[in-house]
Amino acid sequence: GQNIDQPTEMTATEGAIVQINCTYQTSGFNGLFWYQQHAGEAPTFLSYNVLDGLEEKGRFSSFLSRSKGYSYLLLKELQMKDSASYLCAVRDGNAGNMLTFGGGTRLMVKP
Amino acid sequence: EAGVVQSPRYKIIEKKQPVAFWCNPISGHNTLYWYRQNLGQGPELLIRYENEEAVDDSQLPKDRFSAERLKGVDSTLKIQPAELGDSAVYLCASSSRARTGANYGYTFGSGTRLTVV
Repeated sequence: GQNIDQPTEMTATEGAIVQINCTYQTSGFNGLFWYQQHAGEAPTFLSYNVLDGLEEKGRFSSFLSRSKGYSYLLLKELQMKDSASYLCAVRDGNAGNMLTFGGGTRLMVKP
Repeated sequence: EAGVVQSPRYKIIEKKQPVAFWCNPISGHNTLYWYRQNLGQGPELLIRYENEEAVDDSQLPKDRFSAERLKGVDSTLKIQPAELGDSAVYLCASSSRARTGANYGYTFGSGTRLTVV
């Protein structure tokens, strides 16, 4: 089975940096995804890590440590539009690449 | 390419009534997923199809929920009868075995927001 934990809510200031952590316990690990989801919309893909280390994509970066079952999403130069839920999801290669999601972290960016 | 298409976008029904949701996956994607997302929570898998075969339906409440994927393309998820606790967003997603594109072959539809009153 899968167990994925992430904080429920975070608040940060416009222009600042925020780090959203995710810990997981899983079998058949085949990658970790971060999705962004605005209220009332479908999740949209942000990043993918399958090897240890940091993946950088513009203002967003994601880190993975497979030995520690740990990932984080780093958002730099926060903008008001970054207010959304951020979902950590682990892919199980033994189950048709099914994604299991954490509960999501609701990020509120304040002026 | 066209994305995953779901309909309806919104649905409001009275409890004990039936309801059905439809999903058209990305062309060529052999795997189709139905997820349910309650307010403030992450999506939870209901059922996974490999082509027309349901290979994981362990989380599907089979007393009232049913799903089908005829011909391995479109899929329908049905609830009969609906209960108040079924109010949620129902998301469909599809993927291919080949990792293609930024989504690594896993794409969500816009979802159907169900409200049971």
